[in-house]
Amino acid sequence: KAGVTQTPRYLIKTRGQQVTLSCSPISGHRSVSWYQQTPGQGLQFLFEYFSETQRNKGNFPGRFSGRQFSNSRSEMNVSTLELGDSALYLCASTPEQGSVYGYTFGSGTRLTVV
Amino acid sequence: KQEVTQIPAALSVPEGENLVLNCSFTDSAIYNLQWFRQDPGKGLTSLLLIQSSQREQTSGRLNASLDKSSGRSTLYIAASQPGDSATYLCAISPMEYGNKLVFGAGTILRVKS
Repeated sequence: KAGVTQTPRYLIKTRGQQVTLSCSPISGHRSVSWYQQTPGQGLQFLFEYFSETQRNKGNFPGRFSGRQFSNSRSEMNVSTLELGDSALYLCASTPEQGSVYGYTFGSGTRLTVV
Repeated sequence: KQEVTQIPAALSVPEGENLVLNCSFTDSAIYNLQWFRQDPGKGLTSLLLIQSSQREQTSGRLNASLDKSSGRSTLYIAASQPGDSATYLCAISPMEYGNKLVFGAGTILRVKS
């Protein structure tokens, strides 16, 4: 079956712009989580959506937001981009409770802010 | 606050060697622990998932153990190959946070041919 699909794979944006990243989970998976990976901070949790509702949020500023659609696809938006937002953004999906099934990750979107 | 530590930070071994990667976490209240592999610039590939009630899981040349009471997990790689070169990440699913993973910083493994 198809894995977790993230688009686009690469993005270059200018400071102050906004960006939207997309994640399509494995078919049947209803929970989608987002993570930011940087060399300095490692992997950090952004937020998790389940049935179109944000259930959990990490310690990131309000410029980072997301949403989930009825087909479980999710988008993440970053407004007023800063140089420090340059990172690999990873999306993960799990059927319902990750405690039982674990998580499957996508290949990520590499965002570069110049 | 749950913290995950991985030792060593980097490891370089000759091909064929057996090796152990270590992961420790501060709070034993977890749902499970998952080991991932990450190749440079790529996403995460799940290697093994150990539920909190389990002691170990095996897949091919990989074996992961979990000692929840002491907050430790090890990933054992038998007969290492150059293709095993990657960053290995340990992640826990804390009961406190619901559907969220807390990651260690990873171990960078290089297997020399």
